Amino acid sequence: GIQVEQSPPDLILQEGANSTLRCNFSDSVNNLQWFHQNPWGQLINLFYIPSGTKQNGRLSATTVATERYSLLYISSSQTTDSGVYFCAVLTTSGTYKYIFGTGTRLKVLA
Amino acid sequence: EAGVAQSPRYKIIEKRQSVAFWCNPISGHATLYWYQQILGQGPKLLIQFQNNGVVDDSQLPKDRFSAERLKGVDSTLKIQPAKLEDSAVYLCASSRRGNELRTDTQYFGPGTRLTVL
Repeated sequence: GIQVEQSPPDLILQEGANSTLRCNFSDSVNNLQWFHQNPWGQLINLFYIPSGTKQNGRLSATTVATERYSLLYISSSQTTDSGVYFCAVLTTSGTYKYIFGTGTRLKVLA
Repeated sequence: EAGVAQSPRYKIIEKRQSVAFWCNPISGHATLYWYQQILGQGPKLLIQFQNNGVVDDSQLPKDRFSAERLKGVDSTLKIQPAKLEDSAVYLCASSRRGNELRTDTQYFGPGTRLTVL
C-alpha cells in the first residue's frame, strides 16, 4: 500500500522563527490534508490541498502531486503552534481511505 | 455547525472487560471513520462506513472489535474482551464524501482515551 513519510520527526524552534515541514507519499492520491494535533489530542484541520498552494494567515501549504510531496510552512511561529503535525492522503483506488503520515512533533519555545 | 461528538472522553478498564465508544458525526456527513491512535504514532484506520454500510474494515481486529452505524448516523465501536495493547486514543471522524474526492475533508472528534490495566 501507499507509504506516507514526514520529516523532520522532531523540531524545536524559538518563537518568531519560520519552519518547513515535509510530507512524502509513494503513490498518486486523490487529496491530501494537513492536521495539527494540539497538546490535548484534538486533531484540527489546517488545509485540504490535493495540488497547488493555499495560505491561511501564518500558515501556507504547497502540494506538488506529480512529484509526490507536500510542504507546510509556518511563519513567525508562536508557542500555540506546538504539537504534532500530520499529513493524511486519500488513496485513489480500492476503498478511498485516508492514510496518515508519521507526524512531525513541533515545540516552540518562548 | 456542530462538530463531531464522542463519548466518553476517558475510560479505564481491566483486561478482559468490555467497553463501548459512541460517535455522532457532523450532520449530513455520509462517511464515518474510526481510528486508533497509539501514543507516539499517527492515527490508524480501523473501520470506515459509507452511510450505514462498511466500506473498509481491513485493519479491524474482528475477533475482539466490532462497530455498527445504525440508520447511517451515529456509530458505536466495541471492544470485547480488551487487551493491554488496546490502550490508545480512539478517534472518530466524518466527511461529506460527495462525488468530488479532491475536496473531501475529514473532521475529527475529541477522542476517547482508553487505558487497559
